[in-house]
Amino acid sequence: AQSVTQLDSQVPVFEEAPVELRCNYSSSVSVYLFWYVQYPNQGLQLLLKYLSGSTLVKGINGFEAEFNKSQTSFHLRKPSVHISDTAEYFCAVSVFGNEKLTFGTGTRLTIIP
Amino acid sequence: EAQVTQNPRYLITVTGKKLTVTCSQNMNHEYMSWYRQDPGLGLRQIYYSMNVEVTDKGDVPEGYKVSRKEKRNFPLILESPSPNQTSLYFCASSSGWGADTEAFFGQGTRLTVV
Repeated sequence: AQSVTQLDSQVPVFEEAPVELRCNYSSSVSVYLFWYVQYPNQGLQLLLKYLSGSTLVKGINGFEAEFNKSQTSFHLRKPSVHISDTAEYFCAVSVFGNEKLTFGTGTRLTIIP
Repeated sequence: EAQVTQNPRYLITVTGKKLTVTCSQNMNHEYMSWYRQDPGLGLRQIYYSMNVEVTDKGDVPEGYKVSRKEKRNFPLILESPSPNQTSLYFCASSSGWGADTEAFFGQGTRLTVV
């Protein structure tokens, strides 16, 4: 079975500074990887996904993530954060032939003005 | 507008009083699922449905029931709620069978059982 680990439960970052949110996964087969964002009092929405091909994936709102198979990681990055990026971010994994999404425990990103 | 609609958004109930949380999607998606979100635990899948009349247990199904009589609706039923079911619940839907399809989430239902 697949699993996802988000080691950082909370990440405070100054406005306009870069940020990296870490995600590591475990699976015995090839995976699809996702980052979802949850803004306060809202549902989750897709930020970006890796299915195959280029290991650097660009998403909405200036976020990008890099798939690293050897390190089983899919870290999320943004070069300069804004107050509006304050949210909880979830990494998720699925495998071919199984529609189930397995989520990490989430990382709460707080932007400090 | 493509959306997943859950009702109610907030609900406070007493132990043992049956309740239903509705979920409806307007995207003609085949796959629907329910999650609960708890602090420090992330989202855990309760039940899922691959199509009408096809449902199966997720990771934490105890104390919940679902039905899928129509493609667009996937209600979550708590026949005898208990305080440990106090949580934030999300319904999600996605198209087709592929694991690479995007999941669309409802706004969430915050349930408190006293």
